[in-house]
Amino acid sequence: ELKVEQNPLFLSMQEGKNYTIYCNYSTTSDRLYWYRQDPGKSLESLFVLLSNGAVKQEGRLMASLDTKARLSTLHITAAVHDLSATYFCAEGGGSNYKLTFGKGTLLTVNP
Amino acid sequence: DVKVTQSSRYLVKRTGEKVFLECVQDMDHENMFWYRQDPGLGLRLIYFSYDVKMKEKGDIPEGYSVSREKKERFSLILESASTNQTSMYLCASSLTIGRYSNQPQHFGDGTRLSIL
Repeated sequence: ELKVEQNPLFLSMQEGKNYTIYCNYSTTSDRLYWYRQDPGKSLESLFVLLSNGAVKQEGRLMASLDTKARLSTLHITAAVHDLSATYFCAEGGGSNYKLTFGKGTLLTVNP
Repeated sequence: DVKVTQSSRYLVKRTGEKVFLECVQDMDHENMFWYRQDPGLGLRLIYFSYDVKMKEKGDIPEGYSVSREKKERFSLILESASTNQTSMYLCASSLTIGRYSNQPQHFGDGTRLSIL
């Protein structure tokens, strides 16, 4: 059974601080996705990581993939309130179509 | 921009009713998906379709069926709604992706379904 585990599930942090969300997965997949979801809204694609060592950055968010460790990280630099949302990682597994999602990390950035 | 449109944002139905949730995408995507999202459980795949009239079961297909008569439209059907099907339902679409594709799934706004 494919498993994707995110850690932590809840994260409360102050503006200006740095933190990392971890995503462990159980298969040999080399495709990992990060999504953001605002309350009451749909999921927005943030990053697609396709190979070992892949690193992508957008603003204060940086995602990386280590396929040997089956680990992806989403690093937040100097958090701001606008980053408050739920972040999901999902791995592509063995199929071309299916994604298996983690349970999500609810991030709250406090002033 | 990719547009995935779900027909209703909120829907209230009664136990035993047959319920139809509709999803339309405008980007000629081959693949379409239905998920349900529940607090603490994340997103779980119900069914997906990789071509017209083609479908495959996801992780939690029991109590659901789907229909894809046209490429742009993917319907989720609750054959006889039950209270444990109260949930947020999300539709998504994507291009056919090869091993090194960077195409994510694109999601609709969701339908919050309540079964009374």
